[in-house]
Amino acid sequence: AQSVTQPDIHITVSEGASLELRCNYSYGATPYLFWYVQSPGQGLQLLLKYFSGDTLVQGIKGFEAEFKRSQSSFNLRKPSVHWSDAAEYFCAVGDWSGNTPLVFGKGTRLSVIA
Amino acid sequence: DSGVTQTPKHLITATGQRVTLRCSPRSGDLSVYWYQQSLDQGLQFLIQYYNGEERAKGNILERFSAQQFPDLHSELNLSSLELGDSALYFCASSGRLGNEQFFGPGTRLTVL
Repeated sequence: AQSVTQPDIHITVSEGASLELRCNYSYGATPYLFWYVQSPGQGLQLLLKYFSGDTLVQGIKGFEAEFKRSQSSFNLRKPSVHWSDAAEYFCAVGDWSGNTPLVFGKGTRLSVIA
Repeated sequence: DSGVTQTPKHLITATGQRVTLRCSPRSGDLSVYWYQQSLDQGLQFLIQYYNGEERAKGNILERFSAQQFPDLHSELNLSSLELGDSALYFCASSGRLGNEQFFGPGTRLTVL
C-alpha cells in the first residue's frame, strides 16, 4: 500500500535561513509526487509536482523539490525562508492511473522566527 | 483561487442532526474528492467520484454519504452527527485521473 512519511511534525527556522522538509514515500511503481501548502484556515495549495523527467522540480513561491528514487524521498527546499512561508506542508503520492486517490503525509508545520 | 468552490464556509449544528456540504469542481474537472481534516486525525480521504460514479472509498463512516450530479457538482451528506465529526471538510477536483488535485477552501463543521 502507498504511504507517505513526513518525519518532522514541527520545524522552526529563522527568516532568511534555508529550509528542507523531508518526505519519504512507499510505492510499488513510479509515483506521482506532490507538495501542498496550507495556511491557517485555508485550503491546500499545490506548490509543485513530479511526474517524470528532471528529478529537480521547481514550484511556486521559490520552492523546489528533488526526487531521489534510491532513497524513496521527495524533499522540499527553499534557500531563504520568508515569514509568510509559515504554514503546514503536506507531501502526497499518487499513481499515473488515478485508480487510487492521493495519499497524504501527516504534514509538517513550519514556524518562522525573526 | 483554485477554482473549486465549497458551500457553506461555516456550519454549526447540534448532535444528531444532518447536514449537506456542497462542492463545485473546477470547470471541466471530472473527479471530485472529499477529505476530512481534524487535529487528531490529520487529512483523511473520504470518497472519490469520477464523472458521476463512485471511484474510491476511504475512511468514510456509514453515517456519511456522497454523490456527484450530472453537472459534476458533488454533495457530502453527514447524518446523525456526533461531536467528533467537527472538522474541516475539503473538496478537491482533478482533470484527469492521476493528476494533481485542486482544493477548495473547505467547510468548517462544528457540532455542538
